[in-house]
Amino acid sequence: DVKVTQSSRYLVKRTGEKVFLECVQDMDHENMFWYRQDPGLGLRLIYFSYDVKMKEKGDIPEGYSVSREKKERFSLILESASTNQTSMYLCASSPLYTNQGYSSGANVLTFGAGSRLTVL
Amino acid sequence: QQPVQSPQAVILREGEDAVINCSSSKALYSVHWYRQKHGEAPVFLMILLKGGEQKGHEKISASFNEKKQQSSLYLTASQLSYSGTYFCGTSPKASSYKLIFGSGTRLLVRP
Repeated sequence: DVKVTQSSRYLVKRTGEKVFLECVQDMDHENMFWYRQDPGLGLRLIYFSYDVKMKEKGDIPEGYSVSREKKERFSLILESASTNQTSMYLCASSPLYTNQGYSSGANVLTFGAGSRLTVL
Repeated sequence: QQPVQSPQAVILREGEDAVINCSSSKALYSVHWYRQKHGEAPVFLMILLKGGEQKGHEKISASFNEKKQQSSLYLTASQLSYSGTYFCGTSPKASSYKLIFGSGTRLLVRP
């Protein structure tokens, strides 16, 4: 089974702290994503990466950065945590191409279980 | 721009049917449907590609009307295990890596 593992299930941090959220996938997927999930807003894309050291901004990148030094690992960094970053963070991965040869727009995401971050 | 899902929430009795809609203001290449149970990761249900095809997964099926830029998820003879939040994710073009998700529809199936 494809596994996407997020290192911390629950974190509590103080305002101004630097926060690292780690995500590891074991299926050699090219694409990795960080989403933020808030009630009533669904899943919003923060950043994604389609290759090692490559990254693109999603819809809400402000206050976040990412790092992808190895194919299997994608880190989300909050340089200076703020209370409005209290949320559930979901990591996901997908292959570049499906078995059927579909292009990127058809790729299925496999999600991790999420990291619930509380910033006090 | 996020696709719009409706309804926001629905409560069913076991065995009843439901329809969840997902509408986009932009042309779509694909629509994905995911289900998230409480405290768990979202899980892929099915994908529909440009072409108006209909797909099925157990007693759950979906359609995609690319002209109307909308998709519908049909849950037939609902089971208790169908409870959860359903998300549609849309991709505007074949070359796009990212999915834009709707705000979700909470479904509760009662005995």
